[in-house]
Amino acid sequence: EVQLAVSGGGLAQPGGSLRLSCAASGFNFNSYYMSWVRQAPGKGLEWVANIDQDGRKEYYADSVKGRFTVSRDNAKTSVYLQMDSLRVEDTAVYYCARSSIANVWGQGALVTVSS
Amino acid sequence: DIQLTQSPSFLSASVGDRVTITCRASQGIDYYLAWYQQKPGQGPTLLISAASTLESGVPSRFSGGGYGTEFTLTITGLQPEDVASYYCHQLKGYPVTFGGGTKVEIK
Repeated sequence: EVQLAVSGGGLAQPGGSLRLSCAASGFNFNSYYMSWVRQAPGKGLEWVANIDQDGRKEYYADSVKGRFTVSRDNAKTSVYLQMDSLRVEDTAVYYCARSSIANVWGQGALVTVSS
Repeated sequence: DIQLTQSPSFLSASVGDRVTITCRASQGIDYYLAWYQQKPGQGPTLLISAASTLESGVPSRFSGGGYGTEFTLTITGLQPEDVASYYCHQLKGYPVTFGGGTKVEIK
């Protein structure tokens, strides 16, 4: 069964950092782009970042560029989102998804940025 | 950046109705458009890719169409389990973007 398990969410202060992890199983992880998408409370979906199969190409939304870093470890079949200089407006449920088309989604992790 | 405008933002219809959601792109995106369904309290799921390709397991009452700048998602015969928010998503170029969403309710 294809699964994506997100961990690492929680509470952070403005200006702080958090790291999300997404552990993949049930498919050939090395063959897929991976995506991060977020959803602020009561709002719509917002694409955050993508990373290619080798981890050499990274793409970011303007809202997180320079603050967030996506990476992956193909040996551990995991993708990560390092979030630095967090802002209140980064509060959201963060999903990881398989492929740039996001054809499989993880369960989401809540990140709350508040003082 | 390519903007996606969905309409309507809210839709209330009766069981069995045919409902259509429109997604307009600010510039041509060929067929690089996907549709997602998000039921209350759940994560999104992919319904349609490449504008009109139904994903495996998705009921045939869902259909997608369009090309370039105007796209539609149609539910032919609305069912109670279709209560959800629906989002379009363009993958023509970075930054990829989502539409604002359409919330579908049963009247």
